[in-house]
Amino acid sequence: SQQGEEDPQALSIQEGENATMNCSYKTSINNLQWYRQNSGRGLVHLILIRSNEREKHSGRLRVTLDTSKKSSSLLITASRAADTASYFCATDPSGGYQKVTFGTGTKLQVIP
Amino acid sequence: EADIYQTPRYLVIGTGKKITLECSQTMGHDKMYWYQQDPGMELHLIHYSYGVNSTEKGDLSSESTVSRIRTEHFPLTLESARPSHTSQYLCASTGTGGTGELFFGEGSRLTVL
Repeated sequence: SQQGEEDPQALSIQEGENATMNCSYKTSINNLQWYRQNSGRGLVHLILIRSNEREKHSGRLRVTLDTSKKSSSLLITASRAADTASYFCATDPSGGYQKVTFGTGTKLQVIP
Repeated sequence: EADIYQTPRYLVIGTGKKITLECSQTMGHDKMYWYQQDPGMELHLIHYSYGVNSTEKGDLSSESTVSRIRTEHFPLTLESARPSHTSQYLCASTGTGGTGELFFGEGSRLTVL
């Protein structure tokens, strides 16, 4: 089964609002990553947070990681129509082999 | 801009045909991956490679095979395609000692009639 589960599966918000997506995973990890996918395209890396980090920022993105709960969240602030895409968390499990597995994804729609 | 390329982008073929999906990267990455993405958007790891002559099966059983004869090239082959193989196939790579970020190709969308 997949390493990660995300919720919500789909999210629709107005432009300017914040969007929060959550990810839970099952095993110990080296790092957790978030990716974005526009419809029909490949995935693009957004941000990586290591297992010894609790929070990380990049522009309008804020990621938190709670290794005790095996969960992470991605916050997109002041959303724009161009943020409409699917967002995936991905985990690099401990063990050093970087066999990255993905969550189920959240489909975000930002309404102008 | 990621230097990883997949061909073809779209392929429609009949049942029983042999197909090869190509994936090449110019970043010198040692690790390469194939993911299968269902229409419902979940990604499944089907093959990965840590270097030349190294290939492993992923979490999702797949009838496809891969080879890694050169660092930059990681083709995926289906000997006899079936409608159940209809899916999007995504190739990715990353380098040892890097940030851990995966670089993805644009994907190959396969339809088997």
